[in-house]
Amino acid sequence: GDSVTQMEGPVTLSEEAFLTINCTYTATGYPSLFWYVQYPGEGLQLLLKATKADDKGSNKGFEATYRKETTSFHLEKGSVQVSDSAVYFCALTVGGGSNYKLTFGKGTLLTVNP
Amino acid sequence: SQTIHQWPATLVQPVGSPLSLECTVEGTSNPNLYWYRQAAGRGLQLLFYSVGIGQISSEVPQNLSASRPQDRQFILSSKKLLLSDSGFYLCAARDSWPGELFFGEGSRLTVL
Repeated sequence: GDSVTQMEGPVTLSEEAFLTINCTYTATGYPSLFWYVQYPGEGLQLLLKATKADDKGSNKGFEATYRKETTSFHLEKGSVQVSDSAVYFCALTVGGGSNYKLTFGKGTLLTVNP
Repeated sequence: SQTIHQWPATLVQPVGSPLSLECTVEGTSNPNLYWYRQAAGRGLQLLFYSVGIGQISSEVPQNLSASRPQDRQFILSSKKLLLSDSGFYLCAARDSWPGELFFGEGSRLTVL
């Protein structure tokens, strides 16, 4: 079946540091890939997405590139802020139709210190 | 885009009491709807999903049930809560292709 593996962390960085959160996947078909962010006490928000190989999703300074050859979708940000402290989830879906489901990784807790 | 409303936001219930969490969706019609639970440790567990009124699929056997009485309303229920039902419950709706999910703000349930 489909699965997502991401580094579980926690990840602790100082403000302005470079961030990488690794995400790899296995999928039975051609997936679309997503990163979601969950701030403390809130629901999940879509951060960025990519639907085909070599696509780069970007938002709020975060980027991730769909790498089919390495089945990866690593999240990066060049300079993190305290406000980026949150849990980050990598996710995928294959195809569509009525039985659509999103497969999530276990989440990575990021803490950014001033 | 879609807006997902959940209530109540916070709930403290005794063991053995009933539960009803409600979710409504704005900005779309005939969405796929989902209930997830997030226990301590951050992981998301898909509990139920629905592709239409009255159509419910259960992902895991449990003490909970779901219903969809209207197109944009999704309800999570229990007749008798267990301690293990404590957690953060998230309702989500599916957008059109590529099929990302939009989430509500969540309902935090504590069973004592």
